[in-house]
Amino acid sequence: DIQMTQSPSSLSASVGDRVTITCRASQSISSYLNWYQQKPGKAPKLLIYAASILQSGVPSRFSGSGSGTDFTLTINNLQPEDFATYYCQQSFSTPNNFGQGTKLEIK
Amino acid sequence: EVQLVESGGGLIQPGGSLRLSCAASGFTVSSNYMSWVRQAPGKGLEWVSVIYNGGNTYYADSVKGRFTISRDSSKNSLYLQMNGLRVEDTAVYYCARDRTLKGYCTSTSCRYHYYMDVWGKGTTVTVSS
Repeated sequence: DIQMTQSPSSLSASVGDRVTITCRASQSISSYLNWYQQKPGKAPKLLIYAASILQSGVPSRFSGSGSGTDFTLTINNLQPEDFATYYCQQSFSTPNNFGQGTKLEIK
Repeated sequence: EVQLVESGGGLIQPGGSLRLSCAASGFTVSSNYMSWVRQAPGKGLEWVSVIYNGGNTYYADSVKGRFTISRDSSKNSLYLQMNGLRVEDTAVYYCARDRTLKGYCTSTSCRYHYYMDVWGKGTTVTVSS
């Protein structure tokens, strides 16, 4: 099975900041990587798929990059509504494991 | 409107069985990959199972042999039959629609990206004596 490891596990930032979250796969997954955002008590929301394709309706301040084993989610100009938990997920092979999550908190 | 609504959760004793349902509207379940994802209290997301549009099914090791994913075209619904429930199965269970995007291809086959673009609000399963 492919294991997904995110770093950091938590992160404090301020409105207007630029933040980067990293996701590492235990083996190469090419670009088969998705990113989701989850707010407390809500279902996850798709942000980015295929490592770098922005889901329709997601603000352009979100971007994804990477290939192989190392991936990043970048959020530019943080907005109050961006404080949430972020998860990566690989779709290269089943089981389609998620990372453990990165909680983004207000500084 | 594209929507998923889960039901069937509840309190169940260890060893018991439960069947979760996920009613879809605005799209056809059988034409899509469909997944179940769960989240234990205070924990992260855990992928549980997927059914492909062709009918192939796959499971997380933690539920293999105990859970069964299925669908009913006439009801446009997805299901998760859960047997032999354990305390550690306690979680919110989400169903989700997977969209696919053709990735790289060899001369004989293609590998597809798939990603969960529509989620239900979840149903809570509590396994406790």
